[in-house]
Amino acid sequence: KQEVTQIPAALSVPEGENLVLNCSFTDSAIYNLQWFRQDPGKGLTSLLLIQSSQREQTSGRLNASLDKSSGRSTLYIAASQPGDSATYLCAVNTGNQFYFGTGTSLTVIP
Amino acid sequence: DAGVIQSPRHEVTEMGQEVTLRCKPISGHDYLFWYRQTMMRGLELLIYFNNNVPIDDSGMPEDRFSAKMPNASFSTLKIQPSEPRDSAVYFCASGTGVNTQYFGPGTRLTVL
Repeated sequence: KQEVTQIPAALSVPEGENLVLNCSFTDSAIYNLQWFRQDPGKGLTSLLLIQSSQREQTSGRLNASLDKSSGRSTLYIAASQPGDSATYLCAVNTGNQFYFGTGTSLTVIP
Repeated sequence: DAGVIQSPRHEVTEMGQEVTLRCKPISGHDYLFWYRQTMMRGLELLIYFNNNVPIDDSGMPEDRFSAKMPNASFSTLKIQPSEPRDSAVYFCASGTGVNTQYFGPGTRLTVL
C-alpha cells in the first residue's frame, strides 16, 4: 500500500522567507501528485498538479517538483506572506486511489 | 456557482444512531468523492462515483458505511449504526475528472 509522508509536520517562518515543504511516497507507480492547501475549518484547495511524466509545475510564487524514481516531491514557496499560513497536503494518485500525506502546518509570522 | 454544498455542517449523535450526510456537487461535474479526515489517520478517500456509478469503494471502512448517488445533483453517506470512532470531518468533493476536485466545507461528525 502506498504511504505518503510529509516533513516537517509544522513550520514557522518570518514573512518574506523562501521555504520548502517535503513529500515522500513509497511506491513510484503513480499517475500524478497534487499539492493542496487547507485553511482551518475548511476543505482543500488544489494548488498544483504534476503528472508522472513531468518534473515540475509553477503557479505564481509556488513551484512543485517531482522525482518519481526517488519517491519525492517538494513545494517551494517564494517570498512567503502571512496569507500563506495554512496546512499543505500532498496527494498521490495511483490511478484508482488517492493517498494523502498528513500535512505540514505552515505559519508565516508578520 | 455556490460550490459543493454539504449538510449538515455539524452533527452530534449518540452511539448506535443512524447518521446521514448529504452532498450537492457543482453542476456539470460528473465525479463525486467522499473523504474522511481525522487527526490520527489524516485524509482518507472512502468512495468515488462517476456519472452516479460507484467506481471504487475500497476505502469504505466497513459495512456500517454506505454511499449512494441517486442522481447527478445529490449524494448521501450513511453510517448505521454509528460508533464513537466514526467521529471525524467528512468531506465531499466534485470534479470533471479525478484530478480536478473541488472540496465542500465538510461535515464535522461527533458520535458520543
